[in-house]
Amino acid sequence: AQRVTQPEKLLSVFKGAPVELKCNYSYSGSPELFWYVQYSRQRLQLLLRHISRESIKGFTADLNKGETSFHLKKPFAQEEDSAMYYCALKPSGYSTLTFGKGTMLLVSP
Amino acid sequence: GAVVSQHPSRVICKSGTSVKIECRSLDFQATTMFWYRQFPKQSLMLMATSNEGSKATYEQGVEKDKFLINHASLTLSTLTVTSAHPEDSSFYICSAKRAGQGGGTQYFGPGTRLLVL
Repeated sequence: AQRVTQPEKLLSVFKGAPVELKCNYSYSGSPELFWYVQYSRQRLQLLLRHISRESIKGFTADLNKGETSFHLKKPFAQEEDSAMYYCALKPSGYSTLTFGKGTMLLVSP
Repeated sequence: GAVVSQHPSRVICKSGTSVKIECRSLDFQATTMFWYRQFPKQSLMLMATSNEGSKATYEQGVEKDKFLINHASLTLSTLTVTSAHPEDSSFYICSAKRAGQGGGTQYFGPGTRLLVL
């Protein structure tokens, strides 16, 4: 069975500092990886997915199959980035998602 | 686009009663909907996958007779918690996958807070 690990429950940084939210996974096949974000009092929403290789709101994430990681990065954090971030994995051939436990990002002024 | 609604947003019921939660895709058709349960400060746990016109697929450990799922149309799935007990109190979230859209993008509802007294 697949597993997604987000080792940090809380990450607190100052505005303008770089941010890296860690995500590691275990899966024997070729997965699709996603980052979902939940802002305060809002629903969960897709931030980005590895197959798109895109930058959303300044965030990027690279799938490293050797290290089985999909860390989320942003060079300069903003206060509005404060939210709960979930890493998720979709097994090949399935439509379901397995979520990590989430990391709360707090960006202070 | 791609808005998912849930109703009710919160519900309080007595132990032993049944509660129905609706999940609707408002502006798209969803062949697949998912039901999650989220405990305080914990991640989303997938309960079941609901496919329009067929039986739901339940995750291991989820009682299908306890959590009845119906996906009768391309825009509506319902979750009925039967004979609810206090331990069923939780935050239930649905999501929907747009028909014809591949990959793992899911559109989430706002969630339903269930409290069983």
